[in-house]
Amino acid sequence: DAMVIQNPRYQVTQFGKPVTLSCSQTLNHNVMYWYQQKSSQAPKLLFHYYDKDFNNEADTPDNFQSRRPNTSFCFLDIRSPGLGDAAMYLCATSRGGPETQYFGPGTRLLVL
Amino acid sequence: DQQVKQNSPSLSVQEGRISILNCDYTNSMFDYFLWYKKYPAEGPTFLISISSIKDKNEDGRFTVFLNKSAKHLSLHIVPSQPGDSAVYFCAATDSGAGSYQLTFGKGTKLSVIP
Repeated sequence: DAMVIQNPRYQVTQFGKPVTLSCSQTLNHNVMYWYQQKSSQAPKLLFHYYDKDFNNEADTPDNFQSRRPNTSFCFLDIRSPGLGDAAMYLCATSRGGPETQYFGPGTRLLVL
Repeated sequence: DQQVKQNSPSLSVQEGRISILNCDYTNSMFDYFLWYKKYPAEGPTFLISISSIKDKNEDGRFTVFLNKSAKHLSLHIVPSQPGDSAVYFCAATDSGAGSYQLTFGKGTKLSVIP
Protein backbone atom coordinates (compact mmCIF):
# COMPACT_ATOMS: atom_id res chain seq x y z
CA ASP A 1 0.00 0.00 0.00
CA ALA A 2 1.20 3.49 -0.84
CA MET A 3 1.75 5.39 2.34
CA VAL A 4 3.55 7.94 4.48
CA ILE A 5 5.87 6.46 7.07
CA GLN A 6 7.38 8.23 10.04
CA ASN A 7 10.20 6.98 12.22
CA PRO A 8 10.50 6.73 15.09
CA ARG A 9 6.94 6.85 16.43
CA TYR A 10 8.22 8.02 19.81
CA GLN A 11 11.42 9.93 20.42
CA VAL A 12 12.89 10.99 23.74
CA THR A 13 15.72 13.49 23.74
CA GLN A 14 17.50 15.67 26.23
CA PHE A 15 17.27 19.41 26.44
CA GLY A 16 19.70 20.84 23.90
CA LYS A 17 20.58 17.52 22.28
CA PRO A 18 20.03 17.53 18.48
CA VAL A 19 17.38 15.17 17.18
CA THR A 20 16.30 14.09 13.70
CA LEU A 21 12.87 12.85 12.74
CA SER A 22 12.35 10.90 9.54
CA CYS A 23 9.56 10.72 6.99
CA SER A 24 9.30 8.62 3.85
CA GLN A 25 6.58 8.24 1.25
CA THR A 26 5.72 5.73 -1.44
CA LEU A 27 3.10 7.98 -3.05
CA ASN A 28 5.63 9.76 -5.29
CA HIS A 29 4.12 13.10 -4.32
CA ASN A 30 5.86 16.35 -5.17
CA VAL A 31 5.18 18.12 -1.90
CA MET A 32 6.22 17.08 1.59
CA TYR A 33 5.22 18.98 4.72
CA TRP A 34 6.19 19.07 8.36
CA TYR A 35 3.62 20.08 10.96
CA GLN A 36 3.95 20.54 14.71
CA GLN A 37 0.92 19.73 16.83
CA LYS A 38 0.74 20.41 20.54
CA SER A 39 -1.97 19.02 22.77
CA SER A 40 -5.47 20.32 21.93
CA GLN A 41 -4.03 22.62 19.28
CA ALA A 42 -4.34 22.76 15.53
CA PRO A 43 -1.48 21.29 13.50
CA LYS A 44 0.89 24.11 12.64
CA LEU A 45 2.84 24.07 9.40
CA LEU A 46 6.59 24.45 9.92
CA PHE A 47 7.78 24.18 6.34
CA HIS A 48 7.28 22.30 3.11
CA TYR A 49 9.22 21.15 0.06
CA TYR A 50 7.86 21.32 -3.45
CA ASP A 51 10.28 18.92 -5.10
CA LYS A 52 13.64 20.41 -4.00
CA ASP A 53 12.25 23.88 -3.41
CA PHE A 54 12.20 24.59 0.33
CA ASN A 55 9.55 26.91 1.81
CA ASN A 56 9.84 28.01 5.40
CA GLU A 57 6.90 29.48 7.30
CA ALA A 58 7.68 32.96 8.61
CA ASP A 59 7.20 32.03 12.25
CA THR A 60 9.11 28.74 12.22
CA PRO A 61 12.01 29.03 14.68
CA ASP A 62 15.56 28.80 13.31
CA ASN A 63 16.04 25.83 15.61
CA PHE A 64 14.04 23.78 13.10
CA GLN A 65 15.64 22.70 9.85
CA SER A 66 14.68 20.26 7.14
CA ARG A 67 16.35 18.20 4.44
CA ARG A 68 14.90 16.39 1.46
CA PRO A 69 17.62 14.31 -0.18
CA ASN A 70 15.25 12.72 -2.70
CA THR A 71 11.56 12.50 -3.59
CA SER A 72 10.85 9.79 -1.05
CA PHE A 73 12.52 11.08 2.11
CA CYS A 74 12.30 14.21 4.21
CA PHE A 75 13.94 14.89 7.56
CA LEU A 76 13.17 17.31 10.37
CA ASP A 77 16.21 18.39 12.37
CA ILE A 78 15.79 20.13 15.71
CA ARG A 79 19.20 21.56 16.50
CA SER A 80 18.75 22.36 20.18
CA PRO A 81 15.43 21.07 21.47
CA GLY A 82 13.80 23.00 24.27
CA LEU A 83 11.04 21.85 26.59
CA GLY A 84 8.57 23.81 24.46
CA ASP A 85 9.40 21.68 21.43
CA ALA A 86 7.77 18.63 22.94
CA ALA A 87 4.92 17.88 20.57
CA MET A 88 3.60 15.55 17.91
CA TYR A 89 5.37 16.07 14.59
CA LEU A 90 3.35 15.17 11.54
CA CYS A 91 4.69 14.62 8.05
CA ALA A 92 2.31 14.94 5.10
CA THR A 93 2.50 14.72 1.32
CA SER A 94 0.46 15.95 -1.61
CA ARG A 95 0.69 16.25 -5.37
CA GLY A 96 0.57 20.03 -4.98
CA GLY A 97 -1.98 22.82 -5.12
CA PRO A 98 -5.23 22.55 -3.14
CA GLU A 99 -4.84 18.84 -3.02
CA THR A 100 -5.64 16.51 -0.23
CA GLN A 101 -2.66 16.03 2.06
CA TYR A 102 -1.87 12.53 3.24
CA PHE A 103 -0.46 12.30 6.73
CA GLY A 104 1.87 9.90 8.40
CA PRO A 105 1.17 8.55 11.90
CA GLY A 106 3.36 11.18 13.52
CA THR A 107 6.37 11.15 15.84
CA ARG A 108 5.75 12.13 19.44
CA LEU A 109 8.79 13.98 20.78
CA LEU A 110 9.50 14.22 24.47
CA VAL A 111 12.23 16.57 25.71
CA LEU A 112 13.68 15.86 29.15
CA ASP B 1 -5.25 35.02 15.21
CA GLN B 2 -7.16 31.85 14.43
CA GLN B 3 -8.38 31.87 10.88
CA VAL B 4 -10.20 28.53 11.23
CA LYS B 5 -12.26 27.99 14.34
CA GLN B 6 -13.95 24.92 15.69
CA ASN B 7 -15.73 26.27 18.72
CA SER B 8 -16.89 22.96 20.15
CA PRO B 9 -13.98 21.01 21.63
CA SER B 10 -16.18 17.97 22.08
CA LEU B 11 -19.50 16.46 21.02
CA SER B 12 -21.37 13.37 22.21
CA VAL B 13 -23.99 11.71 20.03
CA GLN B 14 -26.05 8.57 20.36
CA GLU B 15 -25.37 5.81 17.85
CA GLY B 16 -27.70 6.07 14.85
CA ARG B 17 -28.33 9.77 15.31
CA ILE B 18 -26.89 12.65 13.31
CA SER B 19 -23.56 14.23 14.25
CA ILE B 20 -23.05 17.83 13.20
CA LEU B 21 -19.59 19.33 13.49
CA ASN B 22 -19.17 23.02 12.84
CA CYS B 23 -16.34 25.17 11.54
CA ASP B 24 -16.03 28.91 10.98
CA TYR B 25 -13.36 30.77 9.06
CA THR B 26 -12.37 34.40 8.84
CA ASN B 27 -10.17 34.54 5.74
CA SER B 28 -12.39 35.36 2.75
CA MET B 29 -9.65 34.12 0.41
CA PHE B 30 -10.13 30.53 1.52
CA ASP B 31 -11.81 28.62 -1.29
CA TYR B 32 -11.14 24.96 -0.58
CA PHE B 33 -12.09 23.19 2.60
CA LEU B 34 -11.31 19.75 3.96
CA TRP B 35 -12.29 17.61 6.91
CA TYR B 36 -9.83 15.22 8.47
CA LYS B 37 -10.46 12.52 11.04
CA LYS B 38 -7.85 11.53 13.60
CA TYR B 39 -7.74 8.50 15.86
CA PRO B 40 -5.41 8.45 18.87
CA ALA B 41 -1.78 7.62 18.00
CA GLU B 42 -2.49 7.99 14.27
CA GLY B 43 -2.07 10.82 11.79
CA PRO B 44 -5.08 12.68 10.40
CA THR B 45 -6.83 10.93 7.52
CA PHE B 46 -8.70 12.76 4.81
CA LEU B 47 -12.47 12.46 5.00
CA ILE B 48 -14.17 14.83 2.59
CA SER B 49 -13.58 18.18 0.90
CA ILE B 50 -15.54 20.96 -0.77
CA SER B 51 -14.67 23.72 -3.17
CA SER B 52 -16.19 27.16 -2.77
CA ILE B 53 -18.02 26.77 -6.07
CA LYS B 54 -20.26 24.23 -4.34
CA ASP B 55 -22.43 24.45 -1.26
CA LYS B 56 -22.72 20.74 -0.60
CA ASN B 57 -20.70 17.60 -1.10
CA GLU B 58 -21.73 14.08 -0.14
CA ASP B 59 -19.79 10.89 0.32
CA GLY B 60 -21.77 8.06 1.82
CA ARG B 61 -22.71 8.89 5.39
CA PHE B 62 -20.70 12.13 5.29
CA THR B 63 -21.97 15.44 3.93
CA VAL B 64 -20.22 18.78 4.08
CA PHE B 65 -22.19 22.00 3.73
CA LEU B 66 -20.59 25.34 2.92
CA ASN B 67 -22.18 28.72 3.58
CA LYS B 68 -19.81 31.23 2.04
CA SER B 69 -21.71 34.31 3.12
CA ALA B 70 -21.56 33.18 6.73
CA LYS B 71 -18.03 31.80 6.34
CA HIS B 72 -19.28 28.61 7.90
CA LEU B 73 -19.09 24.95 7.06
CA SER B 74 -20.43 21.88 8.73
CA LEU B 75 -19.88 18.16 8.55
CA HIS B 76 -22.91 15.91 8.95
CA ILE B 77 -22.53 12.22 9.75
CA VAL B 78 -25.69 10.17 9.34
CA PRO B 79 -26.13 7.70 10.91
CA SER B 80 -23.37 8.02 13.48
CA GLN B 81 -21.50 4.85 14.36
CA PRO B 82 -19.20 4.06 17.31
CA GLY B 83 -16.28 3.80 14.88
CA ASP B 84 -16.79 7.47 14.04
CA SER B 85 -15.51 8.39 17.49
CA ALA B 86 -12.40 10.45 16.77
CA VAL B 87 -11.12 14.03 16.60
CA TYR B 88 -12.33 15.87 13.51
CA PHE B 89 -10.27 18.71 12.07
CA CYS B 90 -11.56 21.32 9.68
CA ALA B 91 -8.94 22.76 7.30
CA ALA B 92 -8.96 25.49 4.68
CA THR B 93 -6.71 26.83 1.95
CA ASP B 94 -6.51 29.62 -0.60
CA SER B 95 -5.95 27.67 -3.80
CA GLY B 96 -5.09 30.78 -5.78
CA ALA B 97 -2.30 31.93 -3.52
CA GLY B 98 0.27 29.57 -4.95
CA SER B 99 0.80 28.33 -1.45
CA TYR B 100 0.23 24.81 -0.27
CA GLN B 101 -0.60 25.61 3.30
CA LEU B 102 -3.62 24.14 4.98
CA THR B 103 -4.87 26.12 7.97
CA PHE B 104 -6.39 23.82 10.54
CA GLY B 105 -8.87 24.31 13.34
CA LYS B 106 -8.17 22.91 16.79
CA GLY B 107 -10.47 19.96 16.27
CA THR B 108 -13.67 18.59 17.75
CA LYS B 109 -13.64 15.30 19.62
CA LEU B 110 -16.68 13.27 18.64
CA SER B 111 -17.87 10.48 20.89
CA VAL B 112 -20.57 8.20 19.52
CA ILE B 113 -22.27 6.36 22.34
CA PRO B 114 -23.53 2.83 21.58
